[in-house]
Amino acid sequence: NAGVTQTPKFRVLKTGQSMTLLCAQDMNHEYMYWYRQDPGMGLRLIHYSVGEGTTAKGEVPDGYNVSRLKKQNFLLGLESAAPSQTSVYFCASRKAGGSYNEQFFGPGTRLTVL
Amino acid sequence: SQQGEEDPQALSIQEGENATMNCSYKTSINNLQWYRQNSGRGLVHLILIRSNEREKHSGRLRVTLDTSKKSSSLLITASRAADTASYFCATGLMYSGGGADGLTFGKGTHLIIQP
Repeated sequence: NAGVTQTPKFRVLKTGQSMTLLCAQDMNHEYMYWYRQDPGMGLRLIHYSVGEGTTAKGEVPDGYNVSRLKKQNFLLGLESAAPSQTSVYFCASRKAGGSYNEQFFGPGTRLTVL
Repeated sequence: SQQGEEDPQALSIQEGENATMNCSYKTSINNLQWYRQNSGRGLVHLILIRSNEREKHSGRLRVTLDTSKKSSSLLITASRAADTASYFCATGLMYSGGGADGLTFGKGTHLIIQP
């Protein structure tokens, strides 16, 4: 199993450009998450999904949109990138059924907005 | 806001010594998890302790939880160079939509094991 994969690994954008980050998992997990990690900080939750076709806001959702059209994929979109969105983005997934389940993380996407 | 705060922010020890990291959190939790992050990589789950547990072991890892003090500690015994990484505690939050628990992370402890 590949686990959780993210594409691309690196990206540089100019202010105002748009892009989509793709997360894929092959573990048949119901729940998926997008986090961002800024230097010297822990991860902060952007959006999450409890199943195909459902999404919800996390702690820092502004400036981002998400979609979960297929169970195995969770997309994170930036419609008009801003320098404040320079960060490392991590996707994670876990099984449903209570909170006693670990989250599995992807390797991250390093995004720079100039 | 950060739910968990690790202490110390950085720790450097000799190989073979034990490493202890602490985590404090603010609100009630249903579980607390520890993750490791190697430089430039994603996070890897180490251990989970439930709110009704006080201590848990996994290999060279020992985790304690004191809900009255809202604190946890991670002990790595007989440290190795490969243990060099950042360690984060994470607490589970209940969001209103569907019960999926996002995690709230501290800023991490950067552990360096000197050979």
